[in-house]
Amino acid sequence: GIQVEQSPPDLILQEGANSTLRCNFSDSVNNLQWFHQNPWGQLINLFYIPSGTKQNGRLSATTVATERYSLLYISSSQTTDSGVYFCAVEGGDSSYKLIFGSGTRLLVRP
Amino acid sequence: NAGVTQTPKFRVLKTGQSMTLLCAQDMNHEYMYWYRQDPGMGLRLIHYSVGEGTTAKGEVPDGYNVSRLKKQNFLLGLESAAPSQTSVYFCASSSYNEQYFGPGTRLTVT
Repeated sequence: GIQVEQSPPDLILQEGANSTLRCNFSDSVNNLQWFHQNPWGQLINLFYIPSGTKQNGRLSATTVATERYSLLYISSSQTTDSGVYFCAVEGGDSSYKLIFGSGTRLLVRP
Repeated sequence: NAGVTQTPKFRVLKTGQSMTLLCAQDMNHEYMYWYRQDPGMGLRLIHYSVGEGTTAKGEVPDGYNVSRLKKQNFLLGLESAAPSQTSVYFCASSSYNEQYFGPGTRLTVT
């Protein structure tokens, strides 16, 4: 099945810094989503982005489907950005199933 | 509009006991999913449903059963709980693109 790898596994930032999180996947995808899991465990949709670029406030994401990777950019980080960021993909066989990466754990220090 | 809700939020079981987790969504979504999340890991798909009356196996289906008798509800059953099923369980629903997650159920099997 499709493999999803995220990097880095852990990231510590000072408040105000910028960061880039990466997601590599091993096959073509129909669906790619980025989620933020906050410290209380809630999974929050950030982007649905199987291809192209999207922006939402301080966050933006780019997926280059032909090269099988996606990037999540966080600018001017805040302590509330702390948590785990997951990339999840649905394989090209239209199976409706999301395969999750193991996540990037982000800690933003004040 | 409550989105995706899960009942209960916490549960402690003894080995061999049974229980049912309830997921409900009010977004009229066709697709529903059950995932488990173990410490330090991403989510893994247990079972899913592409419509009322249908179910299918995901990555880790053993030891679980599901039912989708009504479009808005998706039940996850553990017939004989084992310590290896200690985990946080998330339900999700989607139309064709983004998946939306419930708050999770923390289950401990002693």
